[in-house]
Amino acid sequence: ILNVEQSPQSLHVQEGDSTNFTCSFPSSNFYALHWYRWETAKSPEALFVMTLNGDEKKKGRISATLNTKEGYSYLYIKGSQPEDSATYLCAFSQGGSEKLVFGKGTKLTVNP
Amino acid sequence: NAGVTQTPKFQVLKTGQSMTLQCAQDMNHNSMYWYRQDPGMGLRLIYYSASEGTTDKGEVPNGYNVSRLNKREFSLRLESAAPSQTSVYFCASSSTVGMAIQYFGAGTRLSVL
Repeated sequence: ILNVEQSPQSLHVQEGDSTNFTCSFPSSNFYALHWYRWETAKSPEALFVMTLNGDEKKKGRISATLNTKEGYSYLYIKGSQPEDSATYLCAFSQGGSEKLVFGKGTKLTVNP
Repeated sequence: NAGVTQTPKFQVLKTGQSMTLQCAQDMNHNSMYWYRQDPGMGLRLIYYSASEGTTDKGEVPNGYNVSRLNKREFSLRLESAAPSQTSVYFCASSSTVGMAIQYFGAGTRLSVL
């Protein structure tokens, strides 16, 4: 069973702070890395899908980078706002497998 | 836009009862998935269907069966519910497996007493 690790498990920041979290995954036979945002009482929503080593994606104040050779991805949030409070999930798939394996998520709380 | 629709939203069962969770998507997606979400465990794949007519086991398939009724619908059945199946169940769909983003339903909160 593939193991996807996310750190930290939870994070509290002040409004306006910039922050980042890590997703670690097996570096062999990489296929795709997904990031999802999951607000309490809602469904997970996709932020990014990355497939190439060195990929960088950006959506507003949120960006992500990918290093497939060493098996990690970073998610950055610039100038955090209370509405960024959510659990951020990463998910990984290997070539030849049709399944996504999710990490346990990083729960971000942004205090006003 | 309906997207992915799950029914019911909530359900309470007694141990040994059976039930079917329904999922339908209107995005013409090929692939559909069932996950369960437990505290501290993240999302775990139960079963998935890469395309109409195919189903495969995920990480935690024991105690469940699935049916890909047609391209739109993918149901999850608990034949004899157990307290360990108390969880929140999410259905998702994507245009393909692996690389395409997944769209999730609102979830079904199931309690087995």
